[in-house]
Amino acid sequence: DMQMTQSPSSLSASVGDRVTITCRASQAISNHLAWFQQAPGKAPKSLIFGASTLQRGVPSRFSGSGYGTDFTLTISNLQPEDFATYYCQQYTNYPLTFGGGTKVEIK
Amino acid sequence: EVNLVESGGGLVQPGGSLRLSCAASGFTFSGDWMHWVRQAPGKGLKWVSRINNDGSDTTYADSVKGRFVISRDNAKNTLYLQLNSLRAEDTAVYYCVRDSSVTRVDYWGQGTLVTVSS
Repeated sequence: DMQMTQSPSSLSASVGDRVTITCRASQAISNHLAWFQQAPGKAPKSLIFGASTLQRGVPSRFSGSGYGTDFTLTISNLQPEDFATYYCQQYTNYPLTFGGGTKVEIK
Repeated sequence: EVNLVESGGGLVQPGGSLRLSCAASGFTFSGDWMHWVRQAPGKGLKWVSRINNDGSDTTYADSVKGRFVISRDNAKNTLYLQLNSLRAEDTAVYYCVRDSSVTRVDYWGQGTLVTVSS
């Protein structure tokens, strides 16, 4: 199975900060990479597909980049509602696999 | 507005069975693939199964293959997951997820909790 490795597993940041989360695939996946946000006690929310395309309604402070094996999610001007856990997922082949998650906490 | 509402979760003994349902609305259900994704308490997300738009093709995670069955009724706009031979490690919140050919995985239900315990 394709392994997706996220780093860091957690980070502390302040409102207004810029944060970057990385995701590495064990094999090349083209741009078949999605990002999800999960607030505590809530269902995941889709943020990005195709490595860099925002889902409808997602604020522009979120951005994604990467191709092949290395990807990043950047949140500019961190807002209170952005404190959550973020997951990457590859969808180039089955089984679909997720990264272990990155918890963004308030400093 | 796309809406996915899961139901059918609950407490079941090891070895037992359960059928989860996901009622879909706000989009052309018969046009999209669907997935089930689960999350054990305090853990990350794990993909379980997917079904194509007309139900003719399915795929499963190795951990559930031969025990779980995904299906859909496009006339009722409903996705199902039949869970058989349940084990303690199947305890999780199960999410119904839409996979659009354009925007890929884009909408998630609120989840339904399955607890396997004696």
